[in-house]
Amino acid sequence: GQQLNQSPQSMFIQEGEDVSMNCTSSSIFNTWLWYKQDPGEGPVLLIALYKAGELTSNGRLTAQFGITRKDSFLNISASIPSDVGIYFCAEKSGNTPLVFGKGTRLSVIA
Amino acid sequence: KAGVTQTPRYLIKTRGQQVTLSCSPISGHRSVSWYQQTPGQGLQFLFEYFSETQRNKGNFPGRFSGRQFSNSRSEMNVSTLELGDSALYLCASSLQGQGNTGELFFGEGSRLTVL
Repeated sequence: GQQLNQSPQSMFIQEGEDVSMNCTSSSIFNTWLWYKQDPGEGPVLLIALYKAGELTSNGRLTAQFGITRKDSFLNISASIPSDVGIYFCAEKSGNTPLVFGKGTRLSVIA
Repeated sequence: KAGVTQTPRYLIKTRGQQVTLSCSPISGHRSVSWYQQTPGQGLQFLFEYFSETQRNKGNFPGRFSGRQFSNSRSEMNVSTLELGDSALYLCASSLQGQGNTGELFFGEGSRLTVL
């Protein structure tokens, strides 16, 4: 089956620091997505990437679809307390369902 | 526009019982997907329904089943509950289904505890 490796599993950072997390896959995919899950809520889509090499920003968030189509990273600049949550990468190809990574749990220390 | 609504939010069952969870998608969305979320395994795909038809099914035993009604509302059922079924069950809706952009709108989930 598809293998998605997301790292790190968890991070503790100071408010104002930048954050970087990534996902790698054993297979090639057409779409990478990044979701965030706040405590007690369902995941919410942050950024979607549809082309190899694509770099997309959404406010303080920046994500890239790797050239090899097997990896993606998400950066958060100048972290704030509301960035706390679990970040999931997800990938898909064709009509197959989304496959999610196991998540990166982010804690921000004020 | 109302979001995805899942009921119940919390429930406790004992081994061997069965449970039914309900999901109302965003108005106009025809696709409903179900995921199981556990700390160790992350989000695992259960199944997707589109216009009352099961479109995809994940790697779960036959004790897990689902259906979708003509109004796009969906239910999932787990029979003969096991301790390992304790999890957050997330429902997600989308306009055209997962074959499209991959953007899913999730509900808050139903947290099932099996004792």
